Amino acid sequence: EAGVAQSPRYKIIEKRQSVAFWCNPISGHATLYWYQQILGQGPKLLIQFQNNGVVDDSQLPKDRFSAERLKGVDSTLKIQPAKLEDSAVYLCASSLLTGERETQYFGPGTRLLVL
Amino acid sequence: DQQVKQNSPSLSVQEGRISILNCDYTNSMFDYFLWYKKYPAEGPTFLISISSIKDKNEDGRFTVFLNKSAKHLSLHIVPSQPGDSAVYFCAACTGNQFYFGTGTSLTVIP
Repeated sequence: EAGVAQSPRYKIIEKRQSVAFWCNPISGHATLYWYQQILGQGPKLLIQFQNNGVVDDSQLPKDRFSAERLKGVDSTLKIQPAKLEDSAVYLCASSLLTGERETQYFGPGTRLLVL
Repeated sequence: DQQVKQNSPSLSVQEGRISILNCDYTNSMFDYFLWYKKYPAEGPTFLISISSIKDKNEDGRFTVFLNKSAKHLSLHIVPSQPGDSAVYFCAACTGNQFYFGTGTSLTVIP
């Protein structure tokens, strides 16, 4: 079974530029999460989708971050414009969601450096 | 506001001995807890979980203990192996919301 795929793996941009990350969850997984992990901290949830609907985006800085999950499969996370403090690893995870508590499976992450 | 805390940023253990990783939480609404293991340049991988209705869950060399009154959980690895060297994150869940600790870096010395 293929895991969660993310691209790119690394990205370096200058502040005020825009950047987009892509995630392909495990086939059949209804729920998709985007996390931000700043160095030395645990992952922090940015947004959670169930199919193509948003379940929770309470911690997403909506003035600069946006995310979409077209057709309930792939997802894109965008930052526009980027700030220095956005430097982090952006993790995508997916889970099956059968009505019970489900394990999240993580992708390898995209490491973003904002200069 | 850090609702899940791992107060030990690092731990070193001799191969074959027991590794004990600790995690504390503040929100009494958490009802499901997980441990993830993370190697460098990879995403976290699920290790073991426990529901709040239990106080122990075991899977091979890994055992998770939950003390609800103390709002504390721990992961025991016995015996520890060099391949266990990684960063371990605990996570707590309420509803659909997951909260992660800051991680403990475990080094198992051969």
